[in-house]
Amino acid sequence: AQSVAQPEDQVNVAEGNPLTVKCTYSVSGNPYLFWYVQYPNRGLQFLLKYITGDNLVKGSYGFEAEFNKSQTSFHLKKPSALVSDSALYFCAVRSTSGTYKYIFGTGTRLKVLA
Amino acid sequence: NAGVTQTPKFRVLKTGQSMTLLCAQDMNHEYMYWYRQDPGMGLRLIHYSVGEGTTAKGEVPDGYNVSRLKKQNFLLGLESAAPSQTSVYFCASRQPSGTAFEAFFGQGTRLTVV
Repeated sequence: AQSVAQPEDQVNVAEGNPLTVKCTYSVSGNPYLFWYVQYPNRGLQFLLKYITGDNLVKGSYGFEAEFNKSQTSFHLKKPSALVSDSALYFCAVRSTSGTYKYIFGTGTRLKVLA
Repeated sequence: NAGVTQTPKFRVLKTGQSMTLLCAQDMNHEYMYWYRQDPGMGLRLIHYSVGEGTTAKGEVPDGYNVSRLKKQNFLLGLESAAPSQTSVYFCASRQPSGTAFEAFFGQGTRLTVV
């Protein structure tokens, strides 16, 4: 069965410091991996995705994520956090084989402190 | 370009009442999804559709019905609302293949059942 784990409910980081939001996954077959961000009272906005190719994926607003097949991880990173990055972040996975479904993690709330 | 539009944005129902949530997308996407978002549980898939006239059950389908009579619309129905269905509901859509694998989300419907 597919699953996604986001082990941290909340991550606090000082503005200007690097940030990491963790995600691990389990799928049969190869994964498609996604990060979404949700601001208060809004829908989910797409940040970046890994489909194939380079393990380091760059996305919107300066975010990037590193796919690690051996550790089944897809951590979200940003070199220098902004207060405006404070939001709820979701990791999602879809198997390349036999399913149309996305499975989402429980979300990690990122708080960037000024 | 409206993207994915959900109607209504807010609703309060009494236990036992029925209602229909409407999702409309103008991107000619084949696949559409209904999710519910609850604190600490992330997004859970209720039902989905892989094309006009098709529907399928997700993780938490009980108490909900759906219809996809037109490609651009995906309706979620609650026949007899229960307090456990108090949640924020999100609709999403995507194309089935090609480079654009990510799903696009509506802004959500906040439903309270009293």
